[in-house]
Amino acid sequence: GENVEQHPSTLSVQEGDSAVIKCTYSDSASNYFPWYKQELGKRPQLIIDIRSNVGEKKDQRIAVTLNKTAKHFSLHITETQPEDSAVYFCAATHNNNDMRFGAGTRLTVKP
Amino acid sequence: DSGVTQTPKHLITATGQRVTLRCSPRSGDLSVYWYQQSLDQGLQFLIQYYNGEERAKGNILERFSAQQFPDLHSELNLSSLELGDSALYFCASSVVSGSRTGELFFGEGSRLTVL
Repeated sequence: GENVEQHPSTLSVQEGDSAVIKCTYSDSASNYFPWYKQELGKRPQLIIDIRSNVGEKKDQRIAVTLNKTAKHFSLHITETQPEDSAVYFCAATHNNNDMRFGAGTRLTVKP
Repeated sequence: DSGVTQTPKHLITATGQRVTLRCSPRSGDLSVYWYQQSLDQGLQFLIQYYNGEERAKGNILERFSAQQFPDLHSELNLSSLELGDSALYFCASSVVSGSRTGELFFGEGSRLTVL
């Protein structure tokens, strides 16, 4: 089955700086790569996703890049704000198969 | 509100007991996923159902079982409970369009405490 590795496990940045979280996946058949944000005590919620037919996708301050050859994808958050502090999870799947998540990255944005 | 309903929200029980967690997916979603999240840990995939059939199985213990009913709600049964089973159990549902997985919508979770 799919195996997703995520780095770093913790990340601390100053408000206004950028944050980058990286993930690798093992199954070359995977074609859908979502990112979820989980605030303390809450459920995970999708913030951005990308499919394998594109290399990059942006939504305001958030962007995701995908390198299919290297089997890795990254989340980029620019101009970070304190409300970006949360745990971020990457995931990978294909064709209605199980969705496997990375171990998570705890992002702290210091005011 | 994600549209996914999980009950109960909290459950406290003793070792050796059995509990059932219930999940109602969003209207129209055929896929249901169960995840276990221990304290400060990641989302461990347990099992997935699609339109009543088991689709994929992850690191689900033999003491655990699940099913999806004709009305698409799902139940996760945990038996012979151990202290280590204490966790937040999430159910998620998604719509599948032409075999393409879509966004997973998570419920609020069921927090199980085993004493």
